[in-house]
Amino acid sequence: AQTVTQSQPEMSVQEAETVTLSCTYDTSESDYYLFWYKQPPSRQMILVIRQEAYKQQNATENRFSVNFQKAAKSFSLKISDSQLGDAAMYFCAYRSPAGNMLTFGGGTRLMVKP
Amino acid sequence: KAGVTQTPRYLIKTRGQQVTLSCSPISGHRSVSWYQQTPGQGLQFLFEYFSETQRNKGNFPGRFSGRQFSNSRSEMNVSTLELGDSALYLCASSLLQGDSYEQYFGPGTRLTVT
Repeated sequence: AQTVTQSQPEMSVQEAETVTLSCTYDTSESDYYLFWYKQPPSRQMILVIRQEAYKQQNATENRFSVNFQKAAKSFSLKISDSQLGDAAMYFCAYRSPAGNMLTFGGGTRLMVKP
Repeated sequence: KAGVTQTPRYLIKTRGQQVTLSCSPISGHRSVSWYQQTPGQGLQFLFEYFSETQRNKGNFPGRFSGRQFSNSRSEMNVSTLELGDSALYLCASSLLQGDSYEQYFGPGTRLTVT
């Protein structure tokens, strides 16, 4: 079974600064998908960014980018120019190509200081 | 397009009762997955339905069941409620065609068991 670990329960960043959230996973599969989801307080979970394991190029979505290290089974999220609206719980998730089940990490609570 | 909707949004039940939660996916999405979110266990996969068939099931007791209708709407049922069933229940829908495998989450149903 796959496992996803987020070692930082809480992180803090100053507005306009850059922060990196860590995620590691364990799998024996060679093909899979990785995601970062954002869950603001009392609001629904939204997809931030996705990465296909077969792609070597790191995914980027505006201020959000990932550092995907397949051999190290690491998938970190970098948020540039942090904004107050980035404050939320961030979940790293793994999806096997067989099936649609997401395995989530425990989450990282990101606080943004003005 | 309307997003994933879940009803009811909040529910209070007593131990031993049963409860049914409803999820309406994004129009055209045929896959619906359910997740349980608790502070202690985090986000855990319950089950996934695709074209009215259960494709995957998580490690939950048989008290948790679900179904999907021909219009892709899904319901989950929990019988003989226990205090530990108090959680946020999230539904996610997915298109599952070609590269479209992203899951879109609903706002959740907050279930409190007293």
